[in-house]
Amino acid sequence: DGGITQSPKYLFRKEGQNVTLSCEQNLNHDAMYWYRQDPGQGLRLIYYSQIVNDFQKGDIAEGYSVSREKKESFPLTVTSAQKNPTAFYLCASTKGRNTGELFFGEGSRLTVL
Amino acid sequence: DQQVKQNSPSLSVQEGRISILNCDYTNSMFDYFLWYKKYPAEGPTFLISISSIKDKNEDGRFTVFLNKSAKHLSLHIVPSQPGDSAVYFCAAERGANNLFFGTGTRLTVIP
Repeated sequence: DGGITQSPKYLFRKEGQNVTLSCEQNLNHDAMYWYRQDPGQGLRLIYYSQIVNDFQKGDIAEGYSVSREKKESFPLTVTSAQKNPTAFYLCASTKGRNTGELFFGEGSRLTVL
Repeated sequence: DQQVKQNSPSLSVQEGRISILNCDYTNSMFDYFLWYKKYPAEGPTFLISISSIKDKNEDGRFTVFLNKSAKHLSLHIVPSQPGDSAVYFCAAERGANNLFFGTGTRLTVIP
């Protein structure tokens, strides 16, 4: 079945460490996105990519980095520069650039100890 | 600045009754509106959408209403079922890759 797979589902990190969250999709979607969800807040866009080897900053990109070397993959690195990294991270994809009907993965919960 | 607002963090409804979830937005340039449903520890799933050229869209038990003059969006679920218990996010789009989410409303349907 087609879908979006995020891993790991749960991750613990010590302060000062970088961590990379994986996102893979087999939906043949062009655009991929990373969102962050915090309690009491809506989903906030971190980075997005419309095509391979191209990506754009979202509203809260500071302290994060991404790559898009393959159409299927859009990993997110949470760097030590991110001041408050503990959150629920959601990866999403969509076929075209003009639709908001995103397909989401199940999310990765990152906890910084 | 929150451009999409869901002012009710939670809502409880009796099974079989109507659930009405509300959403307000501030940007008149939004041209497409969506509702997503989210269960705990899962990603949101798309539920229903509406274009700004329409004022109503219906899909089974779910109906979305758009009042552009009031910049208000609502989702009606009737009849409500226990399986509808989830967090509902409204979202608004302004062109490509500009999707703004509300803070969510937790719906609890009481059997």
